[in-house]
Amino acid sequence: SAVISQKPSRDICQRGTSLTIQCQVDSQVTMMFWYRQQPGQSLTLIATANQGSEATYESGFVIDKFPISRPNLTFSTLTVSNMSPEDSSIYLCSANMQGDEQYFGPGTRLTVT
Amino acid sequence: EDKVVQSPLSLVVHEGDTVTLNCSYEVTNFRSLLWYKQEKKAPTFLFMLTSSGIEKKSGRLSSILDKKELFSILNITATQTGDSAVYLCAPRSGTYKYIFGTGTRLKVLA
Repeated sequence: SAVISQKPSRDICQRGTSLTIQCQVDSQVTMMFWYRQQPGQSLTLIATANQGSEATYESGFVIDKFPISRPNLTFSTLTVSNMSPEDSSIYLCSANMQGDEQYFGPGTRLTVT
Repeated sequence: EDKVVQSPLSLVVHEGDTVTLNCSYEVTNFRSLLWYKQEKKAPTFLFMLTSSGIEKKSGRLSSILDKKELFSILNITATQTGDSAVYLCAPRSGTYKYIFGTGTRLKVLA
């Protein structure tokens, strides 16, 4: 299985500010994914990040709010921009390994005040 | 529209009991189904199922897929308090996207 690290593990931010979450995989992967899990809810895919191309966003998520970078095959960042309390969630990155098996990073718990 | 329904929503059992968690799905271009255990933040990968009728097993956990009836089950035998978690299933739709169910919250009492 892959080792995926994320940082920060948690943060408390003021509304109107931005936070960048980093995700590092211990091996090269083609596709990385960013999910959001709001309190009491399941995981919702925000976007898919492929190296060398623009991220693909799911319905309801836009690049201006959640810009993503994928500079190489082991790293990606997600920025949550102009935050509001509704953005308080756990943010998770993941990557597909060994075919279709998808592994997750430890997550970032974001609280917006 | 892709849909995943897990049942029951929650379950309380005593140590030693056997539990069966259900996952029914309707997704476009189904390819595989994943099961996860989520205790705190990050889901932990349990199984990937691609073929009907072939049981995957890991210790006290096992899982099977029925592609004709569009469901999967996860069994846990001789439950322990450490099995307390939310269990998520996620069928794959299309080329890369997994659709996550809302999960079954399992609590195992000592």
